[in-house]
Amino acid sequence: QKEVEQDPGPLSVPEGAIVSLNCTYSNSAFQYFMWYRQYSRKGPELLMYTYSSGNKEDGRFTAQVDKSSKYISLFIRDSQPSDSATYLCAKGAQKLVFGQGTRLTINP
Amino acid sequence: KAGVTQTPRYLIKTRGQQVTLSCSPISGHRSVSWYQQTPGQGLQFLFEYFSETQRNKGNFPGRFSGRQFSNSRSEMNVSTLELGDSALYLCASSDRLRTSNTGELFFGEGSRLTVL
Repeated sequence: QKEVEQDPGPLSVPEGAIVSLNCTYSNSAFQYFMWYRQYSRKGPELLMYTYSSGNKEDGRFTAQVDKSSKYISLFIRDSQPSDSATYLCAKGAQKLVFGQGTRLTINP
Repeated sequence: KAGVTQTPRYLIKTRGQQVTLSCSPISGHRSVSWYQQTPGQGLQFLFEYFSETQRNKGNFPGRFSGRQFSNSRSEMNVSTLELGDSALYLCASSDRLRTSNTGELFFGEGSRLTVL
């Protein structure tokens, strides 16, 4: 079993929809959880990070960690075509463990 | 502030050869990490250097090595290339002293290696 499991998709939704991206993780050691976004032919860029259970909001993006069920979620409200990218969940600090990445397409 | 710069962006090698990839971190960042990205395995951690010392290492064979120079620039080397080494190699820098636990990495655009 991989430390971080993520459905690779692809996921295609219409513009304006709410998107829900999810990961599960094993190994419950103290650490941070992150979401990275990667556009085609680019390196990943950090969207959000969170520590411990609960929600963290940044504009249209909300990251959620449920440590009891070992679930990591990213919600995108009012999705835009510019949100089309691969979204990667990760855990750790300097040595990150990434999920497989979910390819998301927002259709105009 | 300039981002993370990786060279070369694309390269083609044949089996058995070796390759050296270069990474210049963001100015002021002293930590440099390397990751391998493939369609099958995704992003996998190779190693991390901080102040010219390897601090963390992933589960890759000894053919994969790296180093960091006093100006924080880093190189990674892969010897005796195999077909399975074809991948996007990503370098990431971080301000380790400030963000040692947050996983805030700044990635370059990567070096795409094709092994024939």
